[in-house]
Amino acid sequence: DAGVIQSPRHEVTEMGQEVTLRCKPISGHNSLFWYRQTMMRGLELLIYFNNNVPIDDSGMPEDRFSAKMPNASFSTLKIQPSEPRDSAVYFCASSQGLAVLNEQFFGPGTRLTVL
Amino acid sequence: KNEVEQSPQNLTAQEGEFITINCSYSVGISALHWLQQHPGGGIVSLFMLSSGKKKHGRLIATINIQEKHSSLHITASHPRDSAVYICAVRRSGTASKLTFGTGTRLQVTL
Repeated sequence: DAGVIQSPRHEVTEMGQEVTLRCKPISGHNSLFWYRQTMMRGLELLIYFNNNVPIDDSGMPEDRFSAKMPNASFSTLKIQPSEPRDSAVYFCASSQGLAVLNEQFFGPGTRLTVL
Repeated sequence: KNEVEQSPQNLTAQEGEFITINCSYSVGISALHWLQQHPGGGIVSLFMLSSGKKKHGRLIATINIQEKHSSLHITASHPRDSAVYICAVRRSGTASKLTFGTGTRLQVTL
């Protein structure tokens, strides 16, 4: 199994630039989650999708952040314009459905640095 | 005050020791997860609990719903257990939304 695939693994960009993070969930999983991890705030859920539809985006910090899931095998998280405080590790995870005890499988993360 | 609190924040143990990591939460939940984050950054789900106790190898997770408390135990600890252990809860009525504790950093030495 390939697991959850994220790209790029590392991204360094300058303030004001657009950043796009990509995620391919595990085949057959129909729920996808975007998380952000920082030293100050730990892990936070940003948004999650079920069957390609956003279910809860209340964790998205502000309008500069947007996420899409155009099909079952691909999702993007975009930051435009990026700011230094967006520097973090962004994780994507997927699961089979939203049932309470469905395990979430995490990708390796994208480490974003905004200068 | 965080909705999910873990203790201790940092823990150093010698190989072979029995380790306990605690998680307390202040909201109604439908399930609790224990996650392990390796030094390289990868995150692995260890357990999902809604009641009672689960065991996997040297790891044991328990939950007391009435007391809003969970523990993760590691028996016969080994240096390869060194990682950050994160407790996360699914709040009742919020489907799959997880709220995370800040993690416990465990270092097991020889």
